Amino acid sequence: GAVVSQHPSRVICKSGTSVKIECRSLDFQATTMFWYRQFPKQSLMLMATSNEGSKATYEQGVEKDKFLINHASLTLSTLTVTSAHPEDSSFYICSARIGVLETQYFGPGTRLLVL
Amino acid sequence: AQTVTQSQPEMSVQEAETVTLSCTYDTSESDYYLFWYKQPPSRQMILVIRQEAYKQQNATENRFSVNFQKAAKSFSLKISDSQLGDAAMYFCALTNRDDKIIFGKGTRLHILP
Repeated sequence: GAVVSQHPSRVICKSGTSVKIECRSLDFQATTMFWYRQFPKQSLMLMATSNEGSKATYEQGVEKDKFLINHASLTLSTLTVTSAHPEDSSFYICSARIGVLETQYFGPGTRLLVL
Repeated sequence: AQTVTQSQPEMSVQEAETVTLSCTYDTSESDYYLFWYKQPPSRQMILVIRQEAYKQQNATENRFSVNFQKAAKSFSLKISDSQLGDAAMYFCALTNRDDKIIFGKGTRLHILP
């Protein structure tokens, strides 16, 4: 149980285009989903927290207009990188959690390369 | 502010031996959970073990066990009978009721055949 999927697993796009990444909890309903960014050989950096049906809470320094997060249902959250630039190239990971203080289960990640 | 510190960037252990990864943390909360996650080369984050702060008994999952010292704010992970598949980056993490999970910087574990 507690499986989280992410799609796509990797994407290459041109600078200036937008890219959408989906995160799904497959066998549980997630009240909260999280989006992280991970640079090579570094820890995970929290970008935003999203609760179903409400606006995402972004961490300091993360541009909400650039990284659009939608949490439309208890099993789906999406991250859209708008007007992508090469510096947005990174590994993006989502996680999902059933309730407060519960374990976060992670998706397999999405490798984004912006040319 | 909450912090999680992993002071060992890299460690190596001989296959079949035992290794302990260190983690210290700081929080003013009384209700919190601690985790060890494993990130192999595939980069999938995998939960290794979880410890509720209110529980005095150390958590154990097969070859993985923790030494939870609440007063010292220490949460080390012991891996017994190390296997090649244990090679990965290991992250210590803390979460409490403010919703966020705080990760340490990680310890890269090498298993020597």
